[in-house]
Amino acid sequence: ILNVEQSPQSLHVQEGDSTNFTCSFPSSNFYALHWYRWETAKSPEALFVMTLNGDEKKKGRISATLNTKEGYSYLYIKGSQPEDSATYLCALTDSWGKLQFGAGTQVVVTP
Amino acid sequence: DGGITQSPKYLFRKEGQNVTLSCEQNLNHDAMYWYRQDPGQGLRLIYYSQIVNDFQKGDIAEGYSVSREKKESFPLTVTSAQKNPTAFYLCASISLGAGVQPQHFGDGTRLSIL
Repeated sequence: ILNVEQSPQSLHVQEGDSTNFTCSFPSSNFYALHWYRWETAKSPEALFVMTLNGDEKKKGRISATLNTKEGYSYLYIKGSQPEDSATYLCALTDSWGKLQFGAGTQVVVTP
Repeated sequence: DGGITQSPKYLFRKEGQNVTLSCEQNLNHDAMYWYRQDPGQGLRLIYYSQIVNDFQKGDIAEGYSVSREKKESFPLTVTSAQKNPTAFYLCASISLGAGVQPQHFGDGTRLSIL
């Protein structure tokens, strides 16, 4: 079982502020990393799939970076809005599509 | 619209009873997965199947059983051997052989003990 850690466990952000949080993982035998956004009462929604060291991906105000050599990925939210409130999940995957999830970072954006 | 349908949304189990959670997908995906979530923990893999009539145990398979008789369907049975079944259960699917793809998830089933 791969050890995927996310920090912090939760954070509160004022509307308009930017924030970021971390996903850490073993750097050996890396295959791919996923970020999902999970809003209350909905199903997890895929944000990014990242495979290459140095990858940077962006979707609107949300972006992610990947460092496979040191074993971490950052997710950034620029200019947070209340609709960004969700739990953000990080997961490692192998070539068979199995996912190993971190516990998530719960983001609460207050107006 | 294509997607994954899980039913029921809420389920209650009596002591000693087996219950079955349904997962159906119309995405023509090859592989299907069952995850369990407990408070403060990440999603943990129970079982997965990459092809019809074949499935493998995940990290926490004890007390659970599955079947994959059709490509679209991957029901999960929580047996009486699962002593702590209260949790949120998510089903997911993915198309294999198309590079690294994100998994698609259902809306989940919350199982509680009566």
